[in-house]
Amino acid sequence: DAKTTQPPSMDCAEGRAANLPCNHSTISGNEYVYWYRQIHSQGPQYIIHGLKNNETNEMASLIITEDRKSSTLILPHATLRDTAVYYCIVRVDTLGGATNKLIFGTGTLLAVQP
Amino acid sequence: SAVISQKPSRDICQRGTSLTIQCQVDSQVTMMFWYRQQPGQSLTLIATANQGSEATYESGFVIDKFPISRPNLTFSTLTVSNMSPEDSSIYLCSVEEVLGNEQFFGPGTRLTVL
Repeated sequence: DAKTTQPPSMDCAEGRAANLPCNHSTISGNEYVYWYRQIHSQGPQYIIHGLKNNETNEMASLIITEDRKSSTLILPHATLRDTAVYYCIVRVDTLGGATNKLIFGTGTLLAVQP
Repeated sequence: SAVISQKPSRDICQRGTSLTIQCQVDSQVTMMFWYRQQPGQSLTLIATANQGSEATYESGFVIDKFPISRPNLTFSTLTVSNMSPEDSSIYLCSVEEVLGNEQFFGPGTRLTVL
């Protein structure tokens, strides 16, 4: 079973920040938080991942709470092309001998409105 | 980043027949995976395709139904055997380096079984 909980859907106005929450209250100390998204009719696309520090890349920012039981993915200026299902996944660090498997939950359908 | 192609992109098949899906990567990769995405659902991992040995299947998936080959580090096939309408899904392959942080997905094969 997936170890994360996400709202099934969210709306966001174009040009505004999209904040997607994820609960992972049973996360272990060696588990990372990963975010992927799946645009309609495409394969999933990696966005970002983190352990406990906040992370930022060209696509998004990841904010992880101090207790690591929840996180938020932030798309700073959402566009219509960001409409997709966003998946939050926890996974053991591959350096720790993990199998690289990704276990997908149900995700959040983000609809960016014009 | 790895570029992944899948063949066929879509197919319509009759029940009782089998279909082999190909996954080709533009570089050598250690880990390859096969996922299924049933209509309106999230992705479910079928198996890890191991080069030179039998695939490792997830609970609920068996080799007789989903035989997998991985003859080298750039290619894998998934066969959906003795198909029924319940096998109608999108089948995706993905790749990742064993110590990697980002998994790359193919575009998927959309299978409809009549």
